Amino acid sequence: KAGVTQTPRYLIKTRGQQVTLSCSPISGHRSVSWYQQTPGQGLQFLFEYFSETQRNKGNFPGRFSGRQFSNSRSEMNVSTLELGDSALYLCASSLERVDEQFFGPGTRLTVL
Amino acid sequence: QKEVEQNSGPLSVPEGAIASLNCTYSDRGSQSFFWYRQYSGKSPELIMSIYSNGDKEDGRFTAQLNKASQYVSLLIRDSQPSDSATYLCAVRLIYGGATNKLIFGTGTLLAVQP
Repeated sequence: KAGVTQTPRYLIKTRGQQVTLSCSPISGHRSVSWYQQTPGQGLQFLFEYFSETQRNKGNFPGRFSGRQFSNSRSEMNVSTLELGDSALYLCASSLERVDEQFFGPGTRLTVL
Repeated sequence: QKEVEQNSGPLSVPEGAIASLNCTYSDRGSQSFFWYRQYSGKSPELIMSIYSNGDKEDGRFTAQLNKASQYVSLLIRDSQPSDSATYLCAVRLIYGGATNKLIFGTGTLLAVQP
């Protein structure tokens, strides 16, 4: 079974731009969560989607948004990029909301 | 107090020794517990999950859970240099039907010396 896939793997943007990241979960998995990982803060939870609905949201500004499609694929968007948004963005999927989460390879975002 | 706490390390052990990684959590509502391994520059990889008190063994890995003392640990027997990585502890909190959070610790860096 294919694992979680994320595209693109690397992105370089400048301040003020916006970016969209994509995540395809493991086949059959219905829950998708997004995390931001930085050296200083570790893994920070962004949001969780299940059945196309946002179920949980972390403590991030409204510039960070996401959505989930009927095939469980998910996207996250960051508008008005700031230097501090440079991070590894990880997507994780699970069968149901309470199950083990499996991570994708991540998207490395650099904001210049 | 952080919700999930781990010693950041580095924890240095010689090859062949037992590495013991510990994690404490603050919320008694925590229901399931996970250990992830993350190599430098890679994404976290799930290595163990544990849901009830006691020990759970999988190959060289043993997870131990003590809900009364609110700690979970991971033992790695016969440590190999390839085990050198950051180990993340994650705890799932579930309250009623509304709250369902997976909270990660900041990780312990393990260095296995050849």
